Amino acid sequence: SAVISQKPSRDICQRGTSLTIQCQVDSQVTMMFWYRQQPGQSLTLIATANQGSEATYESGFVIDKFPISRPNLTFSTLTVSNMSPEDSSIYLCSVNSGGNYEQYFGPGTRLTVT
Amino acid sequence: AQSVTQLGSHVSVSEGALVLLRCNYSSSVPPYLFWYVQYPNQGLQLLLKYTSAATLVKGINGFEAEFKKSETSFHLTKPSAHMSDAAEYFCAVNAGNTGKLIFGQGTTLQVKP
Repeated sequence: SAVISQKPSRDICQRGTSLTIQCQVDSQVTMMFWYRQQPGQSLTLIATANQGSEATYESGFVIDKFPISRPNLTFSTLTVSNMSPEDSSIYLCSVNSGGNYEQYFGPGTRLTVT
Repeated sequence: AQSVTQLGSHVSVSEGALVLLRCNYSSSVPPYLFWYVQYPNQGLQLLLKYTSAATLVKGINGFEAEFKKSETSFHLTKPSAHMSDAAEYFCAVNAGNTGKLIFGQGTTLQVKP
């Protein structure tokens, strides 16, 4: 398994501003994922971040709104840009570790946009 | 294409009763199936996984799940519910060979004293 930390754990932001969320893993991993979990909902994949290449975004998510960096095999950031109240969600990062497609999740970042 | 359906968005059981959370999947490739649990204000924790070995899979906290190919199901069970089991449970299947997972809608488990 992998141990994953996220910063910040929560934040309250003003609309129109941006927030960068950090994800740190205790081991080197190839694939990292960013999810959004809206209140009372399941997880929706935003993008897949592989080191050394551009992130791959899912339908409905664009790089201008959710830029992602992956500078090395243990770290990634997700920025939520030009925020609106609709961006209020929990943002989770995960990694594919141990083979067999299993993913391990960070504790999440709870974002509230006012 | 792959998909996951969790039957019942909310399940309520009494403490000590059997827990049964239902998950059906659709997959065009051999599936890898997972159950995750999410406690309030926390991330997701892997409960158990099916990876084409034994069809009856045992996980943490006394949970187990049985892979039934003929029924395309992977239901989660626990013989005796505990108050600490109250949480959100998600079933997931691999999205082909992409490394991505597809999650079900989630089931909220309530345990009554």
